[in-house]
Amino acid sequence: AQSVAQPEDQVNVAEGNPLTVKCTYSVSGNPYLFWYVQYPNRGLQFLLKYITGDNLVKGSYGFEAEFNKSQTSFHLKKPSALVSDSALYFCAVRGEDNYGQNFVFGPGTRLSVLP
Amino acid sequence: NAGVTQTPKFRVLKTGQSMTLLCAQDMNHEYMYWYRQDPGMGLRLIHYSVGEGTTAKGEVPDGYNVSRLKKQNFLLGLESAAPSQTSVYFCASSYGAGLRGMNYEQYFGPGTRLTVT
Repeated sequence: AQSVAQPEDQVNVAEGNPLTVKCTYSVSGNPYLFWYVQYPNRGLQFLLKYITGDNLVKGSYGFEAEFNKSQTSFHLKKPSALVSDSALYFCAVRGEDNYGQNFVFGPGTRLSVLP
Repeated sequence: NAGVTQTPKFRVLKTGQSMTLLCAQDMNHEYMYWYRQDPGMGLRLIHYSVGEGTTAKGEVPDGYNVSRLKKQNFLLGLESAAPSQTSVYFCASSYGAGLRGMNYEQYFGPGTRLTVT
């Protein structure tokens, strides 16, 4: 079965510092991995995805994520956090072998960037 | 382009009442999805559709029905609402053809907040 873990409910970081939001996964076959962000009272917005290729993926708003197959992780990172990055972040995954299966979303991590 | 729109934005129902949530997309996407979001549980897939006239069950389909009579619309119905269906409902769509189309990112609507008393 597919699963996603986001081990931190909440991440606090000071503005200007680097941030990391963690995601680990379990799937059958190669993974397809996504990060989404949700601002208050809004739907989810796509940030970036890993399907194949370079393990470091760059996305919207200066975010990037590193795929690590041996650690089954796909952590979201940003070199310098902004207060406006404060939001709820979701990791989602589907396994290459899971044809007909949809993505599984993690429970979300709330990021607070403090001025 | 409006993207993905949902109506209504808010609704309060009494137990046993019925209602239909409407989702519309103007991006000519093949795939459409209905999710519910509950605190601490992320998003859970209710039903989805891989094309006009087709629907399939997701992770939590019980108590819900869907229809996709037109490519741009995906309706979610609650026949007899229960307090356990109090949630925020999100519709999403994505480009795709065939099963590999599921690898494309999803575009989400703004959500419908439903309370069942």
